Amino acid sequence: DGGITQSPKYLFRKEGQNVTLSCEQNLNHDAMYWYRQDPGQGLRLIYYSQIVNDFQKGDIAEGYSVSREKKESFPLTVTSAQKNPTAFYLCASSITVRYSNQPQHFGDGTRLSIL
Amino acid sequence: GQQLNQSPQSMFIQEGEDVSMNCTSSSIFNTWLWYKQDPGEGPVLLIALYKAGELTSNGRLTAQFGITRKDSFLNISASIPSDVGIYFCFPRAGKSTFGDGTTLTVKP
Repeated sequence: DGGITQSPKYLFRKEGQNVTLSCEQNLNHDAMYWYRQDPGQGLRLIYYSQIVNDFQKGDIAEGYSVSREKKESFPLTVTSAQKNPTAFYLCASSITVRYSNQPQHFGDGTRLSIL
Repeated sequence: GQQLNQSPQSMFIQEGEDVSMNCTSSSIFNTWLWYKQDPGEGPVLLIALYKAGELTSNGRLTAQFGITRKDSFLNISASIPSDVGIYFCFPRAGKSTFGDGTTLTVKP
């Protein structure tokens, strides 16, 4: 079945560590996105990528980094510069960003906690 | 910047009741999407609206794209316990943002 796979489901980070969240899609979508969700709040855009080897900052990119070396993969690194990383992270993809009305399809998320 | 207001923030209803929620904005959009998020999972697309004035149904769900293109509503008829979750609107026009969500609780 086609879809978006995020791993791991739960992740724990020690203070000062970088951690990388995985996102893989087999939908052949060009565009991929990372969102952060805090309790009782909506989704806030961290980074997005329209095509391989290209990505753009979203609304809350500070303390995060991404790469897009393959069409299927868009990993997110939460760096030690992110002072409040505890949140639910969601990855999404869409056919293309060019036609901005295309729906985004989501993975099941990774919950990151600080030890 | 874009101002998006989703209301109500939360709803507590009895099973069998109808539900209505809406999103309004100061900006004009060419698409309105409605998603549902179950606890601990990613949002799932419920309904997509692409034309001003469009009224679309998906089972017990009905959504409309406002004539002004600045608002949309989602109705759920005869609610059941599995309707519990967070409902988000997501208007689209270039870079845009999700609503803050409506948390629905259904009491059996």
